[in-house]
Amino acid sequence: GAGVSQSPSNKVTEKGKDVELRCDPISGHTALYWYRQSLGQGLEFLIYFQGNSAPDKSGLPSDRFSAERTGGSVSTLTIQRTQQEDSAVYLCASSIGQGAYEQYFGPGTRLTVT
Amino acid sequence: TQLLEQSPQFLSIQEGENLTVYCNSSSVFSSLQWYRQEPGEGPVLLVTVVTGGEVKKLKRLTFQFGDARKDSSLHITAAQPGDTGLYLCAGAKGAQKLVFGQGTRLTINP
Repeated sequence: GAGVSQSPSNKVTEKGKDVELRCDPISGHTALYWYRQSLGQGLEFLIYFQGNSAPDKSGLPSDRFSAERTGGSVSTLTIQRTQQEDSAVYLCASSIGQGAYEQYFGPGTRLTVT
Repeated sequence: TQLLEQSPQFLSIQEGENLTVYCNSSSVFSSLQWYRQEPGEGPVLLVTVVTGGEVKKLKRLTFQFGDARKDSSLHITAAQPGDTGLYLCAGAKGAQKLVFGQGTRLTINP
């Protein structure tokens, strides 16, 4: 399909391990967002990429979290030394531009830290 | 600080009833979007409102943007079990990134 895809769909990891979450945005979308959602709550903004501009990292909760976007397409969110409070659904979205454009979301990665 | 406050946070009603969900802010937005999220999926856009006072209808759903563009409401007429989900409002200020409310979890009981 042509939608946003994320992998893995589920990830269970032990406390202290590193994890990588992947997002494949819709082709041609220049903006890519990462959000975190806990227990069906609202969306917590993490990081935002727009074209070749420096990413907006203002939502990253700690320096254990980082993300990159290679070639303006695929993005990887990395969480180092995972903690139990990192357990959540991590959602990726892409849009054709920044601001008010519709965001298309992937199905999310459910991360469980034991 | 939550720029967009949604109320109620949880709502459980019987099939056939009407309901209204509110999205309020002290800030002015250039546009406001409403999304619906079903379990195990990402949010999906329902509507975007841009003009103060604008009303948009999507079948049994009516969306309104406040005159001052600081608030919005979603009214559902004759709710159906298929309306169950998490409803999220999101405000945009020009080219800045969207700001999401905390969501309203709606359950429609048959």
